[in-house]
Amino acid sequence: DVKVTQSSRYLVKRTGEKVFLECVQDMDHENMFWYRQDPGLGLRLIYFSYDVKMKEKGDIPEGYSVSREKKERFSLILESASTNQTSMYLCASSLDRGRTEAFFGQGTRLTVV
Amino acid sequence: ELKVEQNPLFLSMQEGKNYTIYCNYSTTSDRLYWYRQDPGKSLESLFVLLSNGAVKQEGRLMASLDTKARLSTLHITAAVHDLSATYFCAVDDDKIIFGKGTRLHILP
Repeated sequence: DVKVTQSSRYLVKRTGEKVFLECVQDMDHENMFWYRQDPGLGLRLIYFSYDVKMKEKGDIPEGYSVSREKKERFSLILESASTNQTSMYLCASSLDRGRTEAFFGQGTRLTVV
Repeated sequence: ELKVEQNPLFLSMQEGKNYTIYCNYSTTSDRLYWYRQDPGKSLESLFVLLSNGAVKQEGRLMASLDTKARLSTLHITAAVHDLSATYFCAVDDDKIIFGKGTRLHILP
Protein backbone atom coordinates (compact mmCIF):
# COMPACT_ATOMS: atom_id res chain seq x y z
CA ASP A 1 0.00 0.00 0.00
CA VAL A 2 1.09 3.52 -0.74
CA LYS A 3 1.89 5.44 2.38
CA VAL A 4 1.96 9.21 2.48
CA THR A 5 2.92 10.50 5.89
CA GLN A 6 2.58 14.06 7.12
CA SER A 7 4.75 14.99 10.05
CA SER A 8 2.05 16.49 12.26
CA ARG A 9 -1.65 15.93 12.65
CA TYR A 10 -2.26 19.21 14.50
CA LEU A 11 -0.15 22.36 14.74
CA VAL A 12 -0.68 25.68 16.47
CA LYS A 13 1.61 28.53 15.44
CA ARG A 14 1.82 32.24 16.09
CA THR A 15 1.36 34.95 13.48
CA GLY A 16 4.67 35.76 11.81
CA GLU A 17 6.31 32.42 12.56
CA LYS A 18 7.99 30.41 9.83
CA VAL A 19 6.20 27.08 9.57
CA PHE A 20 7.38 23.86 7.96
CA LEU A 21 4.95 21.09 6.98
CA GLU A 22 6.68 17.88 6.01
CA CYS A 23 5.42 15.08 3.78
CA VAL A 24 7.09 11.77 2.99
CA GLN A 25 5.94 9.04 0.59
CA ASP A 26 7.36 5.54 0.48
CA MET A 27 6.40 4.32 -3.00
CA ASP A 28 8.95 6.06 -5.21
CA HIS A 29 6.29 8.31 -6.71
CA GLU A 30 7.42 11.00 -9.13
CA ASN A 31 4.74 13.56 -8.35
CA MET A 32 3.89 15.28 -5.11
CA PHE A 33 1.24 17.89 -4.30
CA TRP A 34 0.21 20.24 -1.52
CA TYR A 35 -3.44 21.27 -1.12
CA ARG A 36 -5.34 23.19 1.45
CA GLN A 37 -8.93 22.30 2.31
CA ASP A 38 -11.40 24.85 3.64
CA PRO A 39 -15.15 24.43 4.23
CA GLY A 40 -17.14 25.27 1.12
CA LEU A 41 -14.03 25.69 -1.02
CA GLY A 42 -12.96 22.10 -1.54
CA LEU A 43 -9.29 21.34 -2.12
CA ARG A 44 -7.15 24.06 -3.65
CA LEU A 45 -3.73 23.32 -5.12
CA ILE A 46 -0.87 25.30 -3.57
CA TYR A 47 2.24 23.80 -5.21
CA PHE A 48 3.22 20.61 -6.96
CA SER A 49 6.38 18.88 -8.09
CA TYR A 50 7.08 16.36 -10.85
CA ASP A 51 10.70 15.72 -9.96
CA VAL A 52 13.37 16.36 -7.40
CA LYS A 53 14.27 20.03 -7.13
CA MET A 54 11.41 20.91 -9.44
CA LYS A 55 8.33 22.88 -8.37
CA GLU A 56 5.33 24.43 -10.03
CA LYS A 57 2.84 26.91 -8.65
CA GLY A 58 -0.71 25.80 -8.21
CA ASP A 59 -3.76 28.03 -7.95
CA ILE A 60 -2.97 29.69 -4.60
CA PRO A 61 0.82 29.86 -4.08
CA GLU A 62 0.94 33.27 -2.41
CA GLY A 63 2.45 33.15 1.06
CA TYR A 64 3.86 29.66 0.55
CA SER A 65 7.00 28.05 -0.80
CA VAL A 66 8.09 24.44 -1.19
CA SER A 67 11.22 22.33 -1.17
CA ARG A 68 11.90 18.98 -2.75
CA GLU A 69 15.50 17.98 -2.14
CA LYS A 70 14.79 14.24 -2.20
CA LYS A 71 12.27 12.33 -4.25
CA GLU A 72 10.35 11.01 -1.26
CA ARG A 73 10.03 14.30 0.65
CA PHE A 74 8.05 17.43 -0.20
CA SER A 75 7.98 20.28 2.29
CA LEU A 76 5.55 23.18 2.43
CA ILE A 77 6.84 26.38 4.00
CA LEU A 78 4.80 29.27 5.31
CA GLU A 79 7.34 32.08 5.31
CA SER A 80 5.43 34.26 7.77
CA ALA A 81 2.27 32.59 9.01
CA SER A 82 -0.94 34.60 9.01
CA THR A 83 -4.36 33.84 10.46
CA ASN A 84 -5.85 33.37 6.97
CA GLN A 85 -3.55 30.39 6.55
CA THR A 86 -5.42 28.51 9.26
CA SER A 87 -6.61 25.45 7.37
CA MET A 88 -6.32 21.72 6.78
CA TYR A 89 -3.26 20.95 4.64
CA LEU A 90 -3.18 17.76 2.59
CA CYS A 91 -0.15 16.27 0.89
CA ALA A 92 -0.52 13.79 -1.96
CA SER A 93 1.66 11.78 -4.30
CA SER A 94 1.11 9.97 -7.60
CA LEU A 95 3.20 7.56 -9.62
CA ASP A 96 3.57 9.54 -12.83
CA ARG A 97 2.01 12.31 -14.83
CA GLY A 98 -1.52 11.98 -16.04
CA ARG A 99 -2.43 8.33 -15.73
CA THR A 100 -2.67 7.55 -12.04
CA GLU A 101 -4.61 8.98 -9.16
CA ALA A 102 -3.07 10.78 -6.22
CA PHE A 103 -2.79 9.18 -2.78
CA PHE A 104 -3.25 11.41 0.23
CA GLY A 105 -1.69 11.78 3.63
CA GLN A 106 -3.80 12.10 6.76
CA GLY A 107 -3.69 15.89 6.76
CA THR A 108 -2.28 18.57 9.07
CA ARG A 109 -4.72 20.89 10.75
CA LEU A 110 -2.84 24.16 11.18
CA THR A 111 -4.13 26.92 13.41
CA VAL A 112 -2.39 30.30 13.30
CA VAL A 113 -3.14 32.51 16.31
CA GLU B 1 -7.73 28.31 -15.95
CA LEU B 2 -9.16 24.87 -15.32
CA LYS B 3 -12.51 24.94 -13.54
CA VAL B 4 -14.19 21.90 -12.00
CA GLU B 5 -17.80 22.24 -10.88
CA GLN B 6 -19.75 19.67 -8.95
CA ASN B 7 -23.44 19.63 -8.28
CA PRO B 8 -25.20 19.35 -6.08
CA LEU B 9 -22.92 20.50 -3.28
CA PHE B 10 -25.18 18.95 -0.68
CA LEU B 11 -27.53 16.02 -1.04
CA SER B 12 -29.78 14.45 1.52
CA MET B 13 -31.53 11.31 0.38
CA GLN B 14 -33.42 8.32 1.68
CA GLU B 15 -31.95 4.86 1.85
CA GLY B 16 -32.91 2.76 -1.14
CA LYS B 17 -33.12 5.67 -3.58
CA ASN B 18 -30.97 6.35 -6.63
CA TYR B 19 -29.19 9.57 -7.36
CA THR B 20 -26.46 11.09 -9.53
CA ILE B 21 -23.69 13.57 -8.76
CA TYR B 22 -22.44 15.62 -11.68
CA CYS B 23 -18.95 16.91 -12.37
CA ASN B 24 -18.41 19.43 -15.16
CA TYR B 25 -15.00 20.70 -16.15
CA SER B 26 -13.57 23.26 -18.53
CA THR B 27 -10.68 21.53 -20.37
CA THR B 28 -10.30 18.70 -22.87
CA SER B 29 -8.74 16.36 -20.32
CA ASP B 30 -9.58 12.66 -20.53
CA ARG B 31 -8.35 11.87 -17.03
CA LEU B 32 -10.71 12.17 -14.11
CA TYR B 33 -10.75 10.75 -10.59
CA TRP B 34 -13.41 10.33 -7.93
CA TYR B 35 -12.58 10.38 -4.23
CA ARG B 36 -14.46 9.83 -1.00
CA GLN B 37 -13.80 11.66 2.26
CA ASP B 38 -15.30 10.68 5.62
CA PRO B 39 -15.53 13.31 8.38
CA GLY B 40 -12.15 13.95 9.99
CA LYS B 41 -10.40 11.66 7.54
CA SER B 42 -8.30 12.08 4.44
CA LEU B 43 -9.31 11.31 0.85
CA GLU B 44 -9.68 7.79 -0.47
CA SER B 45 -9.52 7.02 -4.18
CA LEU B 46 -12.69 5.48 -5.64
CA PHE B 47 -12.41 5.53 -9.43
CA VAL B 48 -9.88 6.35 -12.12
CA LEU B 49 -11.38 7.25 -15.52
CA LEU B 50 -8.85 7.56 -18.32
CA SER B 51 -10.76 7.74 -21.59
CA ASN B 52 -13.95 8.94 -23.20
CA GLY B 53 -16.77 6.54 -22.43
CA ALA B 54 -14.97 4.96 -19.47
CA VAL B 55 -17.30 3.39 -16.93
CA LYS B 56 -16.26 1.93 -13.60
CA GLN B 57 -18.44 0.26 -10.97
CA GLU B 58 -17.84 -0.72 -7.38
CA GLY B 59 -20.77 -1.96 -5.34
CA ARG B 60 -23.55 0.64 -5.41
CA LEU B 61 -21.39 3.31 -7.06
CA MET B 62 -20.83 3.74 -10.77
CA ALA B 63 -18.74 6.46 -12.43
CA SER B 64 -18.63 7.45 -16.07
CA LEU B 65 -16.76 9.95 -18.23
CA ASP B 66 -17.90 11.82 -21.33
CA THR B 67 -14.95 13.90 -22.49
CA LYS B 68 -16.87 15.51 -25.34
CA ALA B 69 -19.43 16.89 -22.92
CA ARG B 70 -16.67 17.50 -20.33
CA LEU B 71 -18.85 15.69 -17.84
CA SER B 72 -18.43 12.89 -15.36
CA THR B 73 -21.19 11.36 -13.27
CA LEU B 74 -21.17 9.35 -10.07
CA HIS B 75 -24.36 7.31 -9.80
CA ILE B 76 -25.56 5.85 -6.52
CA THR B 77 -27.90 2.88 -6.70
CA ALA B 78 -30.15 1.92 -3.77
CA ALA B 79 -28.28 4.12 -1.32
CA VAL B 80 -27.32 2.83 2.11
CA HIS B 81 -26.29 4.82 5.17
CA ASP B 82 -22.65 3.71 4.87
CA LEU B 83 -22.33 5.76 1.70
CA SER B 84 -22.76 9.00 3.65
CA ALA B 85 -19.56 10.99 2.99
CA THR B 86 -18.23 13.84 0.87
CA TYR B 87 -17.44 12.92 -2.72
CA PHE B 88 -14.95 14.83 -4.84
CA CYS B 89 -14.18 14.70 -8.51
CA ALA B 90 -10.72 15.77 -9.69
CA VAL B 91 -9.53 16.51 -13.21
CA ASP B 92 -5.96 15.75 -14.24
CA ASP B 93 -4.73 18.38 -16.65
CA ASP B 94 -1.05 18.01 -15.71
CA LYS B 95 -2.02 19.38 -12.33
CA ILE B 96 -4.87 17.74 -10.43
CA ILE B 97 -7.72 20.16 -9.70
CA PHE B 98 -10.64 19.26 -7.45
CA GLY B 99 -14.28 20.23 -7.40
CA LYS B 100 -15.74 21.64 -4.18
CA GLY B 101 -17.20 18.30 -3.18
CA THR B 102 -20.70 16.90 -2.72
CA ARG B 103 -21.69 16.24 0.86
CA LEU B 104 -23.98 13.21 0.77
CA HIS B 105 -26.22 12.43 3.72
CA ILE B 106 -28.27 9.26 3.53
CA LEU B 107 -31.20 9.02 5.88
CA PRO B 108 -32.27 5.65 7.27
